[in-house]
Amino acid sequence: AAGVIQSPRHLIKEKRETATLKCYPIPRHDTVYWYQQGPGQDPQFLISFYEKMQSDKGSIPDRFSAQQFSDYHSELNMSSLELGDSALYFCASSAVDLASYEQYFGPGTRLTVT
Amino acid sequence: AQKVTQAQTEISVVEKEDVTLDCVYETRDTTYYLFWYKQPPSGELVFLIRRNSFDEQNEISGRYSWNFQKSTSSFNFTITASQVVDSAVYFCALLRSPNFNKFYFGSGTKLNVKP
Repeated sequence: AAGVIQSPRHLIKEKRETATLKCYPIPRHDTVYWYQQGPGQDPQFLISFYEKMQSDKGSIPDRFSAQQFSDYHSELNMSSLELGDSALYFCASSAVDLASYEQYFGPGTRLTVT
Repeated sequence: AQKVTQAQTEISVVEKEDVTLDCVYETRDTTYYLFWYKQPPSGELVFLIRRNSFDEQNEISGRYSWNFQKSTSSFNFTITASQVVDSAVYFCALLRSPNFNKFYFGSGTKLNVKP
């Protein structure tokens, strides 16, 4: 079965640079979520999109922006990177299905800021 | 305020021992969902189980079993006859109404299963 695809899997950037992470949800999933997991921490919700509209927002820095495109893939753009942005970034997708509310997670993108 | 508490930071067991991971949650919602995810060293989050607040039936699936008790707001997870491959960080997570839109994760319990 198709899973959530994230690219790149690993990314190394320097401080003050910009990074773009991509997420391709499971086919026919209409909702995408972004989470940030710092070293030794639990995943923290950043932002979500349903049908290309932002549906919820968590602790996402103003330096970060995201969007969902017409093909339902999503991109997380991070500017002016800081050392503290080094983390594992998960994308998850789900379908509006009142019976499950299950989010399927991608493998994550490991961002290292040096 | 912490909505999901996993008091056990790290647990070490010897292979074939049973181990229970504790999870206590906090919500005033009548409808909510609870999950367990496994995160092996490779980093991906692997879905294990989902329970909604109306389903207190406990279940056994192979070596895994769950104990959901609304009266104590607990959703514990047990691995029977643990194996080295069970070594991972286990996260308990809560989805709350009205949007059921974002997970509140616990801080995770690192399970070390030694041969």
